[in-house]
Amino acid sequence: TQLLEQSPQFLSIQEGENLTVYCNSSSVFSSLQWYRQEPGEGPVLLVTVVTGGEVKKLKRLTFQFGDARKDSSLHITAAQPGDTGLYLCAGPRYGGSQGNLIFGKGTKLSVKP
Amino acid sequence: NAGVTQTPKFQVLKTGQSMTLQCAQDMNHNSMYWYRQDPGMGLRLIYYSASEGTTDKGEVPNGYNVSRLNKREFSLRLESAAPSQTSVYFCASSEVVIQGWNYGYTFGSGTRLTVV
Repeated sequence: TQLLEQSPQFLSIQEGENLTVYCNSSSVFSSLQWYRQEPGEGPVLLVTVVTGGEVKKLKRLTFQFGDARKDSSLHITAAQPGDTGLYLCAGPRYGGSQGNLIFGKGTKLSVKP
Repeated sequence: NAGVTQTPKFQVLKTGQSMTLQCAQDMNHNSMYWYRQDPGMGLRLIYYSASEGTTDKGEVPNGYNVSRLNKREFSLRLESAAPSQTSVYFCASSEVVIQGWNYGYTFGSGTRLTVV
């Protein structure tokens, strides 16, 4: 069974701190995506990583795909209250048709001013 | 703004009632999806439609039916609502190039359904 496990489940930090959240699996994924979901809204795509070892930066967010393509991490530098939300990782379902995604359960981040 | 529109945003049903959740996208995407999101369970796929005229079951299809009315619209129907169907329902669409690769989902803002 394909599973994406995210850790930590909850994270509460002060504005200006750095943090890293993780997405791990025992399965190999051809690609992984990260989404951010704000309260009362649907998830919004942040990035797609496709190559083992790949690092992508989006302003203060740095995404890394593990060399073996079984894990990914999201690092936020100098977190701001606007970063508050639920961070989800997602990957293609094996044998799934047409790009169906499975999702991790997410990391709920709270950044306090 | 372009994107995925879901209606209604909130709904309360009594056990046994039926309803249809509506979803429309204006990005000319081929694939559309219905997920439910529950605390501690994450997002789970209910049904999907790879292209106009096709629909397939996801992880948790029991108690639901879907209709891909045209390329833009994909509706989800609860024939006889049960308290276990209390959840937040999200519709999403994507452009898929080859199996296992898509450009990412665009989600609607969700329907919060309570069944009492």
